[in-house]
Amino acid sequence: AQSVTQLGSHVSVSEGALVLLRCNYSSSVPPYLFWYVQYPNQGLQLLLKYTSAATLVKGINGFEAEFKKSETSFHLTKPSAHMSDAAEYFCAVRSAGGTSYGKLTFGQGTILTVHP
Amino acid sequence: EAGVVQSPRYKIIEKKQPVAFWCNPISGHNTLYWYLQNLGQGPELLIRYENEEAVDDSQLPKDRFSAERLKGVDSTLKIQPAELGDSAVYLCASSRAASGNEQFFGPGTRLTVL
Repeated sequence: AQSVTQLGSHVSVSEGALVLLRCNYSSSVPPYLFWYVQYPNQGLQLLLKYTSAATLVKGINGFEAEFKKSETSFHLTKPSAHMSDAAEYFCAVRSAGGTSYGKLTFGQGTILTVHP
Repeated sequence: EAGVVQSPRYKIIEKKQPVAFWCNPISGHNTLYWYLQNLGQGPELLIRYENEEAVDDSQLPKDRFSAERLKGVDSTLKIQPAELGDSAVYLCASSRAASGNEQFFGPGTRLTVL
């Protein structure tokens, strides 16, 4: 079974500071990994995805994530936080086969607060 | 391109009442997903359709939940009867196919059971 653990349910940063949201995964096969963002009262929007190509993945809004197999991690970063980045962020792993093929398993989410 | 449409956006009902949620996926997307998102948690898959066939409904509580996608386009998720613990956000998503394609999410239906 595949699983995702997001370390820290709440992260608070100052505007302009580095954003680091942590995600560790468990998978018996090479994983496909995703980061989604959810603004209040909206659905989830894909930020970026790792599909076994480059280990450093660049996404929208200046976010990027690095796949580290040895650490089973896929942490999300952004060099300089903006007020508009305040939202909830979800890491997810995609099932690779069987009847659950394509199923996304999400972490519990990290709420990012950005202070002026 | 229009996104995934869900209605209603909000629903308040009393326990033991029935409720239904509707989803219209992005045109051309064969795969449709229903997710349950409890407060403070990530979404959890309830059911996945490939066209009109439910190919993964292992997480759907079949005693009170049902879903259909009769023509392989729109889908309806029903709860009968609703319980207090069903209060959550019900998200619909679609993709061109299950294999590696991005899932696009609708805004969700927030259900409150009193």
